[in-house]
Amino acid sequence: AQSVAQPEDQVNVAEGNPLTVKCTYSVSGNPYLFWYVQYPNRGLQFLLKYITGDNLVKGSYGFEAEFNKSQTSFHLKKPSALVSDSALYFCAVRPPNTDKLIFGTGTRLQVFP
Amino acid sequence: DAGITQSPRHKVTETGTPVTLRCHQTENHRYMYWYRQDPGHGLRLIHYSYGVKDTDKGEVSDGYSVSRSKTEDFLLTLESATSSQTSVYFCAIRPVGKGYGYTFGSGTRLTVV
Repeated sequence: AQSVAQPEDQVNVAEGNPLTVKCTYSVSGNPYLFWYVQYPNRGLQFLLKYITGDNLVKGSYGFEAEFNKSQTSFHLKKPSALVSDSALYFCAVRPPNTDKLIFGTGTRLQVFP
Repeated sequence: DAGITQSPRHKVTETGTPVTLRCHQTENHRYMYWYRQDPGHGLRLIHYSYGVKDTDKGEVSDGYSVSRSKTEDFLLTLESATSSQTSVYFCAIRPVGKGYGYTFGSGTRLTVV
């Protein structure tokens, strides 16, 4: 079955430190990969995507993600975390030849001052 | 979120009653989706639509039906609400094209008592 795994329910990091939120997927072929962020009582907001090309993609709010095909991973990163980055982050994949996104279970990022 | 609105934002209903949630878009996008968000499950696809009167089931469609009589509106109906359908429901839209992600509405928090 096709799936997305976010192995950490919560990630804690101090402000100013680098952060990584992990995502791995199990999908046949070459999927499209996405990261979304959700702030309290809000819908999901698009952060970035990987379709093809450079394995390092840059997105909104200083976030970037690294695609690793051999490890089937798409980890979200930021060089210097802000308290305002505290939110719920979702990784999602769109398998080839489908119009549906499959979401991970989400990772709560807590950035401490 | 711009171009997509969900109504109502909050609803409390009794077990066994029918409930309809509405998603309205002004973007003229072809694809529309209904997801539910539950702790530990992330977002799960309920139903989706490729266009007017063209809908299909997602992974958790039991107990739900949808209708799309106009491009701009996608209705989700719980025929007879159950407590297991207490959740936050999100609508999403997407334009035609392989590389596009979804734009999400702000969600409807439904409580079945």
